[in-house]
Amino acid sequence: NAGVTQTPKFRILKIGQSMTLQCTQDMNHNYMYWYRQDPGMGLKLIYYSVGAGITDKGEVPNGYNVSRSTTEDFPLRLELAAPSQTSVYFCASSYSGRRASGGPTDTQYFGPGTRLTVL
Amino acid sequence: GQQLNQSPQSMFIQEGEDVSMNCTSSSIFNTWLWYKQDPGEGPVLLIALYKAGELTSNGRLTAQFGITRKDSFLNISASIPSDVGIYFCAGVGGSNSGYALNFGKGTSLLVTP
Repeated sequence: NAGVTQTPKFRILKIGQSMTLQCTQDMNHNYMYWYRQDPGMGLKLIYYSVGAGITDKGEVPNGYNVSRSTTEDFPLRLELAAPSQTSVYFCASSYSGRRASGGPTDTQYFGPGTRLTVL
Repeated sequence: GQQLNQSPQSMFIQEGEDVSMNCTSSSIFNTWLWYKQDPGEGPVLLIALYKAGELTSNGRLTAQFGITRKDSFLNISASIPSDVGIYFCAGVGGSNSGYALNFGKGTSLLVTP
């Protein structure tokens, strides 16, 4: 298993450009997530998906869009890049989102990240 | 998201020393997770805790899920240079009913030979 893979690893954008960050997982996980990590901070949730065709906003969704047409793929789209979107983006997946009593299905596995700079 | 307070912010220790870091929250969680992040990489899961009071070990690492469900600690014994990295705690579930991991800001660990 490759786990969670992300492309590209690095990207520089000009203000107003658009791009798609790709994320693929081969663990047959139904839940997938996009986080951003700013310097000296923990990760913040942008969007998540509980299965193909279903997505929902996280804590910081503005300026981003997602789609989930297959179980394996969860691309993140930036339509009009802004300097505030300079960050490292991590995709993650888990077998399910949460159980009331807690359990292994809560565990999220992360990709290697995409470092994005908007100038 | 909920704010997790992770401390210390950074640690600079000598090889062989023991390390302790902790995380506290004003809200309860059903699961506590500890991740390590190396430079340029994504977080890698170290230990997962699912029950209040649970004490779990993974090699030289030991973590506990606090009885109140609002805190957790991670200990590293006999540190080695490859322990260098940023350690994050994360809480899941509980009163916030969300699916996200709520992360602490991380503890940066430096180990000198």
